[in-house]
Amino acid sequence: NAGVMQNPRHLVRRRGQEARLRCSPMKGHSHVYWYRQLPEEGLKFMVYLQKENIIDESGMPKERFSAEFPKEGPSILRIQQVVRGDSAAYFCASSSGQGGIYGYTFGSGTRLTVV
Amino acid sequence: AQTVTQSQPEMSVQEAETVTLSCTYDTSESDYYLFWYKQPPSRQMILVIRQEAYKQQNATENRFSVNFQKAAKSFSLKISDSQLGDAAMYFCAYRKTQGAQKLVFGQGTRLTINP
Repeated sequence: NAGVMQNPRHLVRRRGQEARLRCSPMKGHSHVYWYRQLPEEGLKFMVYLQKENIIDESGMPKERFSAEFPKEGPSILRIQQVVRGDSAAYFCASSSGQGGIYGYTFGSGTRLTVV
Repeated sequence: AQTVTQSQPEMSVQEAETVTLSCTYDTSESDYYLFWYKQPPSRQMILVIRQEAYKQQNATENRFSVNFQKAAKSFSLKISDSQLGDAAMYFCAYRKTQGAQKLVFGQGTRLTINP
């Protein structure tokens, strides 16, 4: 029973390129959350999605960042025209319909490096 | 807005000894959930323990227990009989019961276990 799968594990992009991060939630989970972790800091909430719906994007930068969770396939976090400040670890978590009151299951993260 | 503060950036303990990690939080809610997550060098976020605010009894999970002081808004983690495998970053997190289901994380405490 695979957990939350994130890929790629490491991603290197040049400034100005696009980064696409993928997250497949745990089987049976329909809620996906994206978090960003800067070096030596805690995780910061970005966006919460259910299938085909964005529920809460209050932590998402207004420009260049977008997220989706289509009916079929993984959730995608997309960063356009990346800058050095986007370098971070991006984590995806999933939960069941109870919304994570028992805690979320996290993926192993994607470390994005912008050069 | 809710905030979570971990005032100890680093802690160290001798193997087999007991260590306590501090966490305070700020909220106007009366019901919520609190969590401790462990992040080893592999980057995987692992749920250690959770506490429901309406329960007065402190949660315990084997060698891990919490001291939940609701009035003081304090949620410390005690690790007994520390083991080398406990070495990791530890994050305290808060989640509202209703509404937005995001986790709010503290800055983390790096725990070192000395053999």
